[in-house]
Amino acid sequence: DSGVTQTPKHLITATGQRVTLRCSPRSGDLSVYWYQQSLDQGLQFLIQYYNGEERAKGNILERFSAQQFPDLHSELNLSSLELGDSALYFCASSALQGARADTQYFGPGTRLTVL
Amino acid sequence: AQKVTQAQTEISVVEKEDVTLDCVYETRDTTYYLFWYKQPPSGELVFLIRRNSFDEQNEISGRYSWNFQKSTSSFNFTITASQVVDSAVYFCALSGGPENAGNMLTFGGGTRLMVKP
Repeated sequence: DSGVTQTPKHLITATGQRVTLRCSPRSGDLSVYWYQQSLDQGLQFLIQYYNGEERAKGNILERFSAQQFPDLHSELNLSSLELGDSALYFCASSALQGARADTQYFGPGTRLTVL
Repeated sequence: AQKVTQAQTEISVVEKEDVTLDCVYETRDTTYYLFWYKQPPSGELVFLIRRNSFDEQNEISGRYSWNFQKSTSSFNFTITASQVVDSAVYFCALSGGPENAGNMLTFGGGTRLMVKP
């Protein structure tokens, strides 16, 4: 158990809908990261937050947005969902400012299925 | 741009055999970190090791060992005397991004290891 929690574990929804994925980092960690794992794209970095501020952005679609709250939990919002958004979404956290030396610890993931 | 290549998509061995998983990376950074993660059938990603670009000493942890060679841009992972519980997908990853301004992991495509009894 990494100490990172994600809810829900599974989510099934329809095209065009909007969903919110939630992540709580390990106790004391200030950085939160979101990754998407799909069969065709593999594991891809989406976005990083540090202490409430956006730190780095990867290949995140405009339909997706994220935020980190004062209690350090983070939410990933996915809207206008398409079939291709079906994937396993991971949250990770790290202790430091997100420098390259940081080890990222991953949550169990949320499996999103878009029908 | 950074890149991580795991050429072996799938490896099958019999229990107690030794197995090496290959990882080759590309980066223009002089300081970088390499990682290995394990993804068992249950789906979570489990951190195994972190290695920085200035430390080329091999590392051993129980049945696991890692061989980092900067000259060939490789960071290979060996499991000695494999066990059925080692069956998983293993990912090699490289950290990057502007120094002190963010950190993103670039993952390889993963190697699925199947250990048969």
